[in-house]
Amino acid sequence: DTAVSQTPKYLVTQMGNDKSIKCEQNLGHDTMYWYKQDSKKFLKIMFSYNNKELIINETVPNRFSPKSPDKAHLNLHINSLELGDSAVYFCASSQRYEQFFGPGTRLTVL
Amino acid sequence: ELKVEQNPLFLSMQEGKNYTIYCNYSTTSDRLYWYRQDPGKSLESLFVLLSNGAVKQEGRLMASLDTKARLSTLHITAAVHDLSATYFCAVDEASGSRLTFGEGTQLTVNP
Repeated sequence: DTAVSQTPKYLVTQMGNDKSIKCEQNLGHDTMYWYKQDSKKFLKIMFSYNNKELIINETVPNRFSPKSPDKAHLNLHINSLELGDSAVYFCASSQRYEQFFGPGTRLTVL
Repeated sequence: ELKVEQNPLFLSMQEGKNYTIYCNYSTTSDRLYWYRQDPGKSLESLFVLLSNGAVKQEGRLMASLDTKARLSTLHITAAVHDLSATYFCAVDEASGSRLTFGEGTQLTVNP
């Protein structure tokens, strides 16, 4: 009965490939997020959706495209992967204030 | 642009000692959060502070918020090894839903 789940947990791929990360929450929350945590552990918001509508779109290369098919799911598709995309990507969800984070997806681009 | 600064960034302390981690932020906000992250793991919510003067305690950890000083503290009492982790504060901007994180404080508690 995981609250926020992500797949895959690890993703190793070559430069130039396209990959997707999936996120699902069973908390009934309206808002979902994607964060990137770099090698120095710095966390930065990338996107936020509220009820399937994009509400936060930070300065992120347009190779990154989020998609929310319904309010329980928020996927992240990345085109033409670059070495600098290597990081841990966290999905989160919230209803009012507190955000609950998924287990993270460690992306390694070779 | 909201800036959130934590100090210290690295903290090594002995079991049984007390210490405080500080979180300063640059713009008006009355919502601040503390998270814990163990190596290779997700972020675990510790405290949600939603008003000036808010104080919350859980076990050996106590968090407080002073919105006028734009400062939150995380106080550790009688540290134990199990508290070793990275602690993040995060501030929710007035526009809501956008968390800006501090750099994290890597805490090591030595026996």
